[in-house]
Amino acid sequence: GPKVLQIPSHQIIDMGQMVTLNCDPVSNHLYFYWYKQILGQQMEFLVNFYNGKVMEKSKLFKDQFSVERPDGSYFTLKIQPTALEDSAVYFCASSLDQGAVAETLYFGSGTRLTVL
Amino acid sequence: GEQVEQLPSSLIVQEGASVLINCSYTDSASVYFPWYKQEPGKRLQFIIDIRSNMERKQNQRLTLLFDKKTKHLSLHITATQPGDSAIYFCSASGDSGYNKLTFGKGTVLLVSP
Repeated sequence: GPKVLQIPSHQIIDMGQMVTLNCDPVSNHLYFYWYKQILGQQMEFLVNFYNGKVMEKSKLFKDQFSVERPDGSYFTLKIQPTALEDSAVYFCASSLDQGAVAETLYFGSGTRLTVL
Repeated sequence: GEQVEQLPSSLIVQEGASVLINCSYTDSASVYFPWYKQEPGKRLQFIIDIRSNMERKQNQRLTLLFDKKTKHLSLHITATQPGDSAIYFCSASGDSGYNKLTFGKGTVLLVSP
């Protein structure tokens, strides 16, 4: 089926540094999402993005977080500066249609971020 | 906000057995309930969904039941196979139109040959 690719699969950085997580969504999809999963906890919604804009974000989406998809390339999540509590697996997802409630989300395999 | 609980947290069964995974949610505004499966080392994979105007949906060996009154769902898997071994996630979404899913913690299913 359709695949969402996430690069890199693992990233280790020092606290305070900037990190960019990259996501290559399904080619004809229009909506993009980031979810965060801390070890041992459930996956939690961070943000969704459509037509160059953040549509909705959760309280986990701190001011240090930003998302963009310049010129239809990677959909990115940038954290600047990083904090210890940002250590988690970040999952990217995409969906085809206009954010209709019953759209199937396709997920990537996740990027495991470790902040030291 | 919405909370989704899954029980049990883990299941071990013999191949061929049937299993039942229960899921409950708190927000009566939730209208869409997709389920995902994650095999070891692989991405989340959509397996079945149901909307709040339905009571039952079947997809091959999967049957999903929904009770709007009790805010409860149950996923029934029949004739399990070792390939069904995975973590199963229930999720819920409201009518915001933007697929903001709230996930449960998952149920680890291990099917032994």
